[in-house]
Amino acid sequence: RKEVEQDPGPFNVPEGATVAFNCTYSNSASQSFFWYRQDCRKEPKLLMSVYSSGNEDGRFTAQLNRASQYISLLIRDSKLSDSATYLCVVTLGDYKLSFGAGTTVTVRA
Amino acid sequence: GAVVSQHPSWVICKSGTSVKIECRSLDFQATTMFWYRQFPKQSLMLMATSNEGSKATYEQGVEKDKFLINHASLTLSTLTVTSAHPEDSSFYICSASVRLAGNYEQYFGPGTRLTVT
Repeated sequence: RKEVEQDPGPFNVPEGATVAFNCTYSNSASQSFFWYRQDCRKEPKLLMSVYSSGNEDGRFTAQLNRASQYISLLIRDSKLSDSATYLCVVTLGDYKLSFGAGTTVTVRA
Repeated sequence: GAVVSQHPSWVICKSGTSVKIECRSLDFQATTMFWYRQFPKQSLMLMATSNEGSKATYEQGVEKDKFLINHASLTLSTLTVTSAHPEDSSFYICSASVRLAGNYEQYFGPGTRLTVT
């Protein structure tokens, strides 16, 4: 079983729509959780950390469910510039990151 | 945030040759750097952890004699792909770890796209 699993998508949504997707992780000892964004042929960039209480950053909302071992990301009022691959990342609290394969989101005009 | 650079950004080489990729932390010192590889539509896979002044720690399945890592200074780590073959064609990304307020944050380089013909 992979450490981090994501629905690859793609999620094709119109501008202004809301899109949400999850990722699941296998190690219950995981301590830190992140969403990264990766554009085509570029390096991953940190979008946001995910906290136990859930957190919001502008149009982006992240949730963590430790009991079910999943993390979610919701994007409201989608923009064309939100088109990217979103990577779910989990760590055991040290510096080693485990990446999901990514969920592709395409926002159309 | 911290800036990490990689050079070259892309390289095409012939099968059997060796390729060196540099990873530099530009405005901070990184005692630990990481090398990842990403094949199309797959996740980033950690290849090795590079510690300044000591030998790299390789992940299971990564050949240390094929992927030579040198971390000679606090701002530079290099990855050399020796005797490259077409199956080594991939996107190689480095990152540098910085500890901030008790948490580790990783900053990624822009990646190097290697094509072996």
